[in-house]
Amino acid sequence: GQQVQQSPASLVLQEGENAELQCNFSTSLNSMQWFYQRPGGSLVSLFYNPSGTKHSGRLTSTTVIKERRSSLHISSSQTTDSGTYLCALERGADRLTFGKGTQLIIQP
Amino acid sequence: GGIITQTPKFLIGQEGQKLTLKCQQNFNHDTMYWYRQDSGKGLRLIYYSITENDLQKGDLSEGYDASREKKSSFSLTVTSAQKNEMAVFLCASSISWGGAETLYFGSGTRLTVL
Repeated sequence: GQQVQQSPASLVLQEGENAELQCNFSTSLNSMQWFYQRPGGSLVSLFYNPSGTKHSGRLTSTTVIKERRSSLHISSSQTTDSGTYLCALERGADRLTFGKGTQLIIQP
Repeated sequence: GGIITQTPKFLIGQEGQKLTLKCQQNFNHDTMYWYRQDSGKGLRLIYYSITENDLQKGDLSEGYDASREKKSSFSLTVTSAQKNEMAVFLCASSISWGGAETLYFGSGTRLTVL
């Protein structure tokens, strides 16, 4: 079965609303990473988060290892936040297993 | 800062053709990767290279060859393109091998096979 599951598959919000993206994993992990992919573009690393909570501007990542989940919270969303958000499970030494992604659309 | 450059951006080939994708990075990173991204399937690792002249198979290496003749470049060859194949191939690099490193990605090569 799939080791990394992301939800929701897509999310449409109005500008200013908060977004909550989830990542659940079925195996043990060394770490979890979150990436942002611009429409038709490259991936940008948002967080490297093995456990606990990390903040970066309007973004917050929380990983709870014993519950095998990680979340990405975007507060006061903006239209420029639109794109695909991918989580990736690090199984060991540079072997990342990616989820299928959440497509986020922020409408003005 | 650095950049990862993938060429070409768009690649259209015929069934059975051998096709080569190129990737250059100026981060001076040791480790480089090739991922394939299919719609609805996330990213899957094809090959990675820990250092110059090293090659390691990923989860999806069958049907592909790779080459790391220089530290700054990593090329991927589709040995026999499959008809109706359409995917984005993403190159990435990281400072070193061993986990806990941020990956930096190129903007991808979009492959279409007619």
